[in-house]
Amino acid sequence: AQRVTQPEKLLSVFKGAPVELKCNYSYSGSPELFWYVQYSRQRLQLLLRHISRESIKGFTADLNKGETSFHLKKPFAQEEDSAMYYCALLAYEKLTFGTGTRLTIIP
Amino acid sequence: DVKVTQSSRYLVKRTGEKVFLECVQDMDHENMFWYRQDPGLGLRLIYFSYDVKMKEKGDIPEGYSVSREKKERFSLILESASTNQTSMYLCATSIAGGQETQYFGPGTRLLVL
Repeated sequence: AQRVTQPEKLLSVFKGAPVELKCNYSYSGSPELFWYVQYSRQRLQLLLRHISRESIKGFTADLNKGETSFHLKKPFAQEEDSAMYYCALLAYEKLTFGTGTRLTIIP
Repeated sequence: DVKVTQSSRYLVKRTGEKVFLECVQDMDHENMFWYRQDPGLGLRLIYFSYDVKMKEKGDIPEGYSVSREKKERFSLILESASTNQTSMYLCATSIAGGQETQYFGPGTRLLVL
């Protein structure tokens, strides 16, 4: 069975500092990975997916099959990045989510 | 733009009550999902449906059932609510085919007393 691990429940970063949210997965097939974000009082929404290889709101994530990781990165944190972030793996049309990381940007 | 709505934002029920949570989508998506979201546990899949009248158990189906009589509507039923079912419930939809993202509703925060 597939599994997604986000080792950090809480992460605090100063504004302007780099951000890295960790995600590791286990899956026997070819993974389809996503990052979802939930801002305060808003619904859960897609941030980015590995297959599109794009940067959204300054965030990027690279799939590393050797390390089975899909870490989310941003070079310079902004206050509006404060949110709950979930890594998710898609298999058989179902998403398996990690436990989430709450990111707080310190002004 | 995908619109996924849930019948209530907040709900308070008593132990033993039967509870209905409804989800409606307007984008003709085939797949619909029910999750519960708990601090420290992330999102866990309760049930999902690939089509009308079809349902599949997710990771934590115990104590829940679902109904999908129409394509746009997916209901989650708590047959006899218990305090450990106090949670945030999220509905999601996606296009069939397995490679598309899921779109989420705003959530229903259920408190069982």
